[in-house]
Order: sequence, then structure tokens, then C-alpha cells
Amino acid sequence: AQSVTQLDSQVPVFEEAPVELRCNYSSSVSVYLFWYVQYPNQGLQLLLKYLSGSTLVESINGFEAEFNKSQTSFHLRKPSVHISDTAEYFCAVSPSSGYSTLTFGKGTMLLVSP
Amino acid sequence: DTGVSQNPRHKITKRGQNVTFRCDPISEHNRLYWYRQTLGQGPEFLTYFQNEAQLEKSRLLSDRFSAERPKGSFSTLEIQRTEQGDSAMYLCASSLANTGAGGYTFGSGTRLTVV
Repeated sequence: AQSVTQLDSQVPVFEEAPVELRCNYSSSVSVYLFWYVQYPNQGLQLLLKYLSGSTLVESINGFEAEFNKSQTSFHLRKPSVHISDTAEYFCAVSPSSGYSTLTFGKGTMLLVSP
Repeated sequence: DTGVSQNPRHKITKRGQNVTFRCDPISEHNRLYWYRQTLGQGPEFLTYFQNEAQLEKSRLLSDRFSAERPKGSFSTLEIQRTEQGDSAMYLCASSLANTGAGGYTFGSGTRLTVV
């Protein structure tokens, strides 16, 4: 079984400031890792994913996350946030083989203010 | 391709009533998943289908819940004798079997409120 811990339920930040949303996972098997974003009253959108290869993955809108196997972490970072980044962010994990179900963390609400 | 479509978007029902939700996946996707998201929590896996076969069910899926995917196309999720604890967002996702979790597309969800 897998589990995901998102250490911060809410992260307030000013526009153009850097941000890091923390994610730690637990698993007895090798995993794939994901960050999803959810805007109010909308479904989940995939932000970025780590399946294999380079441990640093990037999204098209400036977010990046780094897979750290020794620390079992997959923190999400952005060097300069925008008001439009205000949303709930979910970290998720899936076994890299076998069933393809996702286990999610509880989410981190990113609040960007001017 | 219009993505994953879920209907209705919102449903308010009285406790004890039955409700049914529908999910239309991306047409070429052979896997379909249901998740439930309660307030302040991340989504939790309920069940998934590959084509018309239901391959896995979570312990969260009590005997009041039933899901079907006739002909391997759209899927329905029915909740019988609803309880207030069933109030949640019900999310559907689809993918190709060979992409697994890396290829999910989620719908916008159905928000259920049991009063």
C-alpha cells in the first residue's frame, strides 16, 4: 500500500514570490509520482508527473518538482507565483507496475495575494 | 474529443433516496475509474473498469454502491439509500490501459449533497 503526506494544508504567499509545496510518500514498491491542480468547482488537472528518467520534472506553466528517492519526497516549486496559481494542489502516487490506481494526499491550498 | 464528461454536475437529494451518476470517458480509453472526494480530503479510489469488466473495488465501496460499465463505454455509479456521509464530489477518470496512472484524464465531477 502507498500513502502520501502533504505537510501544509494551506500556503499563503504574495504574488511574484517563490513557493514550495511539500509532499512525502511511503511505499514498499517503486512508484510513479504526480501533482494535480484543482481550481474551484472543477475537476483535477495533471500538472506534472515523474515516471522515470530525470528526477527533475517541469510543467508548461513554470512549476517543477524533484523526485528524491532517499527522502521519499516530491516537492513542488515555482520561483515566482501569479494570482492565477491560486488553487488546491494534490500530490499523488501510483505503483509503477500492476494496478494503476492513484493514492492522493489531502491537498495544499495555495493562496496567492497581490 | 470533449474529454471526460460527468452528469449531473450537482445533485441534491434527501437521505434515503437513490441517486445515479453518469460518466462518459474519452472514446478510445478502455479504463475508467471512480474516485470520491470529501471536503478537505484528497480523492479516494472507489473502483475501476477495463472495458466492461470491473477489476477492482475499494473497501470504501459499500454494498449500497454499485457501478456498471455496459459495453465498455459510459459508466454509471448508483448509490442506494443515501446517507449524509455520502455527500462528496464523485470524480470519474479514464485512461488507456498501457498508460495507467500516467495517462489519466479526469472529469469535472458530480457534487452530491445529501440533506
